Amino acid sequence: KQEVTQIPAALSVPEGENLVLNCSFTDSAIYNLQWFRQDPGKGLTSLLLIQSSQREQTSGRLNASLDKSSGRSTLYIAASQPGDSATYLCAVHRGDRGSTLGRLYFGRGTQLTVWP
Amino acid sequence: GAGVSQTPSNKVTEKGKYVELRCDPISGHTALYWYRQSLGQGPEFLIYFQGTGAADDSGLPNDRFFAVRPEGSVSTLKIQRTERGDSAVYLCASRPKTGSGNTIYFGEGSWLTVV
Repeated sequence: KQEVTQIPAALSVPEGENLVLNCSFTDSAIYNLQWFRQDPGKGLTSLLLIQSSQREQTSGRLNASLDKSSGRSTLYIAASQPGDSATYLCAVHRGDRGSTLGRLYFGRGTQLTVWP
Repeated sequence: GAGVSQTPSNKVTEKGKYVELRCDPISGHTALYWYRQSLGQGPEFLIYFQGTGAADDSGLPNDRFFAVRPEGSVSTLKIQRTERGDSAVYLCASRPKTGSGNTIYFGEGSWLTVV
């Protein structure tokens, strides 16, 4: 069974710092990996999707890398801002039973607080 | 619609009662997912539909949980004889088509509290 672990569980930093959030997964047979943001009381918003054949994806101040063979991904946030405060979730898509639309396996998330 | 819509947004029910949660996916999305999220946890997979049929229902915790998608669009998650442990946020998500390159879109969830 696929297990996804995120470290750290919580992170509190001053504005302007560059951050690294870590995600590891036990089964490297994945189709893709996604990073999501979740604000309190809200649903999930997709930030970045990395295909299994890719090494990284970038969007603005966010950069996500994927090392499939070692079962690891990192989300890098440059020049953090208070508006970045949220929970960041990593999820891997394994495509169960030969389907490319299969379930996502989520980690517990990293709760990020960026203070002014 | 513009996004995945879930109703009700909040539901408080008594232990033992029956509950229905509705999900209206983004128009044209063929795949629809239900997840459950407890406080401090990541979303836990329940079931997903490809069109009208349940392609994978292995995440449903027991036979009190059931979901349908009769016309391949709106889906309803049904919970019978609710228990306090069912209290959680129930998230619905949809994806546009086959292929691993298509991202998944989540609704804001239905917050269920069983008292």
